[in-house]
Amino acid sequence: DAKTTQPPSMDCAEGRAANLPCNHSTISGNEYVYWYRQIHSQGPQYIIHGLKNNETNEMASLIITEDRKSSTLILPHATLRDTAVYYCLGRGYSTLTFGKGTMLLVS
Amino acid sequence: DAGVIQSPRHEVTEMGQEVTLRCKPISGHDYLFWYRQTMMRGLELLIYFNNNVPIDDSGMPEDRFSAKMPNASFSTLKIQPSEPRDSAVYFCASSFRTNPGNTIYFGEGSWLTVV
Repeated sequence: DAKTTQPPSMDCAEGRAANLPCNHSTISGNEYVYWYRQIHSQGPQYIIHGLKNNETNEMASLIITEDRKSSTLILPHATLRDTAVYYCLGRGYSTLTFGKGTMLLVS
Repeated sequence: DAGVIQSPRHEVTEMGQEVTLRCKPISGHDYLFWYRQTMMRGLELLIYFNNNVPIDDSGMPEDRFSAKMPNASFSTLKIQPSEPRDSAVYFCASSFRTNPGNTIYFGEGSWLTVV
């Protein structure tokens, strides 16, 4: 699986968009970019995933650069309940390998 | 769908006792994963099954840990004997196949404290 790099922490004002970056320069052609989040004391929660195209669901949007070396998770209107650790992962035909993620604090 | 169901949610046990954690995957999923989370090591994969057969147990820390999947709807992770360093949150997860586009879903975890 691709190694990913994320900032250790970010702040966001409630009601504003939260843009979480992720670098995955070693991602291979068949690997998807996945985002999960973990709210304290809960299990990792799936947010969104994509291969090449930008994706949007009810939770967030995922913007993947054309060269696929980086991506951005966008929470359009962050709320206090979005405070969590956000994990960006590259996944091929294997399991998920978690890094340290980004601690997003919404206040 | 009920999601991945784990039990117990919290367990406190004494060193040396046997601990059994249980997991019911999402119906229809053929892959099941056990992860452990600690402050020091983060989230790490212990073992995973495909169609009830263990595929990779290289993450199991030592012989005190064992996992079984007797049928498609039930798995156990057992620690015998337990030690204080086993204190962690244990997550079970499941997915339909391991194609990159198929999502892995996690349970809420079992918080284990060994005193």
